[in-house]
Amino acid sequence: ELKVEQNPLFLSMQEGKNYTIYCNYSTTSDRLYWYRQDPGKSLESLFVLLSNGAVKQEGRLMASLDTKARLSTLHITAAVHDLSATYFCAVLTQGGSEKLVFGKGTKLTVNP
Amino acid sequence: NAGVTQTPKFRILKIGQSMTLQCTQDMNHNYMYWYRQDPGMGLKLIYYSVGAGITDKGEVPNGYNVSRSTTEDFPLRLELAAPSQTSVYFCASSPLGTSGGRLTDTQYFGPGTRLTVL
Repeated sequence: ELKVEQNPLFLSMQEGKNYTIYCNYSTTSDRLYWYRQDPGKSLESLFVLLSNGAVKQEGRLMASLDTKARLSTLHITAAVHDLSATYFCAVLTQGGSEKLVFGKGTKLTVNP
Repeated sequence: NAGVTQTPKFRILKIGQSMTLQCTQDMNHNYMYWYRQDPGMGLKLIYYSVGAGITDKGEVPNGYNVSRSTTEDFPLRLELAAPSQTSVYFCASSPLGTSGGRLTDTQYFGPGTRLTVL
């Protein structure tokens, strides 16, 4: 059974600082997705990582995927308050009917 | 495109009552999903559908039923509401994008339905 773990679950950081959120998963997969959720809102797709070594960047966020280590990272560069949200990674199961398994999310707070 | 729409936005049910959560997408996506999100947790898959007439159970299907008579609609039915079903419910859809026969496209989420069972 695929399990997805994110850490940290809570992250408080100052504006201008850098930090990384980690997403580990337990069984083989080569499809990983990052989503953002603002309080009381739905999920917004950030990145789709489709192969080993994939790297995607959008503004101050950069995501990467290492399928051999079963690890994805979401790196935040020079954080700003607008990045405050909860970030979820989701991993696609392999074989049979494909489904997304979500991590518990990382609640990020960026303080001025 | 309206994307994925859900109704109602909020609902309070009494124990034992029934209701249907509606989900409609106008993007002609084949895949549709129902998730629940409990406080401080990620999303858990309840049911999903790969096309009209085809549905399958996800991780937490007990207490729920679904149907998919059209590409656009994927309603979720709660027959006998229980306090454990208090949650936020999200519907999502994705196109049949594939790479080597594998699903590649992201899922598009609706705004959610906040359900409380008292």
